[in-house]
Amino acid sequence: DTGVSQNPRHKITKRGQNVTFRCDPISEHNRLYWYRQTLGQGPEFLTYFQNEAQLEKSRLLSDRFSAERPKGSFSTLEIQRTEQGDSAMYLCASSLGQGSSYNSPLHFGNGTRLTVT
Amino acid sequence: AQSVTQLGSHVSVSEGALVLLRCNYSSSVPPYLFWYVQYPNQGLQLLLKYTTGATLVKGINGFEAEFKKSETSFHLTKPSAHMSDAAEYFCAVSTVSGTYKYIFGTGTRLKVLA
Repeated sequence: DTGVSQNPRHKITKRGQNVTFRCDPISEHNRLYWYRQTLGQGPEFLTYFQNEAQLEKSRLLSDRFSAERPKGSFSTLEIQRTEQGDSAMYLCASSLGQGSSYNSPLHFGNGTRLTVT
Repeated sequence: AQSVTQLGSHVSVSEGALVLLRCNYSSSVPPYLFWYVQYPNQGLQLLLKYTTGATLVKGINGFEAEFKKSETSFHLTKPSAHMSDAAEYFCAVSTVSGTYKYIFGTGTRLKVLA
């Protein structure tokens, strides 16, 4: 168990630029989640994959956000035309789940901190 | 839909004193409940979880929590606080089926005074 890995750890970008973050989950985990966390708040759900299928996307998520998980392994989160309000910590988590059960804990990476100037 | 409320965004205790962090949940179906800890600039680390069975669950670092269905609560406790316990703590809920996402509370920042 090498843990969930996220890259980069920090990203500073100018407003209007596109950014992409990568998440490598624990290898045997079939579920992968993206969350966003702003200062003083808990993680806010963005989207979720089971293997390569994106099963749910938050209604709060702008069309500028897109996520992929090709081959059910690593995942990328892209933000197009970044805005200052996108500044946050982006957390990736993975879990091993079966069927419709969601009792497995999430294992989190250390996050990517995005600053939009 | 499920939700989580953490009472008290900041809690201060003296070293050696009891730690009590409060979490109440709302769910129309049996919940799974979790407590996580987050240190600065890091991800969240699981402290303990309740799924089924024994309602008093023990976790890492001497923490424990009790699931009380009648009170819809899952409060986190530790008999004696250590300086190293200073961090932010999050309660989270997921449900048996039908919803994929884990919902987190807004967190409680624990400060331990020497």
